[in-house]
Amino acid sequence: QKEVEQNSGPLSVPEGAIASLNCTYSDRGSQSFFWYRQYSGKSPELIMSIYSNGDKEDGRFTAQLNKASQYVSLLIRDSQPSDSATYLCAVGGNQGGKLIFGQGTELSVKP
Amino acid sequence: GAVVSQHPSRVICKSGTSVKIECRSLDFQATTMFWYRQFPKQSLMLMATSNEGSKATYEQGVEKDKFLINHASLTLSTLTVTSAHPEDSSFYICSARGMSDEQFFGPGTRLTVL
Repeated sequence: QKEVEQNSGPLSVPEGAIASLNCTYSDRGSQSFFWYRQYSGKSPELIMSIYSNGDKEDGRFTAQLNKASQYVSLLIRDSQPSDSATYLCAVGGNQGGKLIFGQGTELSVKP
Repeated sequence: GAVVSQHPSRVICKSGTSVKIECRSLDFQATTMFWYRQFPKQSLMLMATSNEGSKATYEQGVEKDKFLINHASLTLSTLTVTSAHPEDSSFYICSARGMSDEQFFGPGTRLTVL
C-alpha cells in the first residue's frame, strides 16, 4: 500500500477554470503537508504548506487538510497555461524529518 | 522561500570516473539535507538523509560506498558518485530542511555517464 497516493492524471482543465488536485496518506501521525510544483526537467518548488485542519489560501492557491479523512487537496483558481506542471503532494512529521512524496499529478491547462 | 544552490547543473563523464555534486543553503543554516534521484517520468526517490557533522543515513537499496555523502557544515553537503556507470545517469536533486519540516530543493544536477 502506497503511503501517499495521488491520481497520476493527466488532469486537463481549460484556462480560467479551477483545478482540483487530491492526495491521501496512510500515516495518521503525520503532522505536516506540502504541495510542490515541478515543471518538466526542473526540480520541485514549494508552493503551499499546511499543518492544521481547514483551508489555507495563498493567492490563487488554496490547500485543504482533513486529518480525520487523511486527505489533503490543492485548488488552483483561474488556472493559467503556466500552471501546467506536475504537482507533488508530500507528507511529513513522523519520519525523522523525511517527507513522503506521492507520485505526482500532471496538470495540463489548455488555452 | 529559502534558496538552495547546486553545482554543477549538468555533468557528462566517462564510465569509471567519480563525480562530486555540491549542495549549498544560501540564506539559512540547514542541519539536515536530503539527496534524491529522479528518472524520467518517475517520482523522486530519496537516497539518503544528511545531518551536519554525522554520517548520512541511506535508504534501503542505496549503496553507501557508491554514493558518498559529506555534510561538513551547516550550509554545505556533497554527494560523490564513485566509479560511475551508465545506469547511474539520472537527475540528482538535493534539498535542505527548514524550520517546519518543509524542504527547499536545489535546481538539480543532470548526470550523464557515457
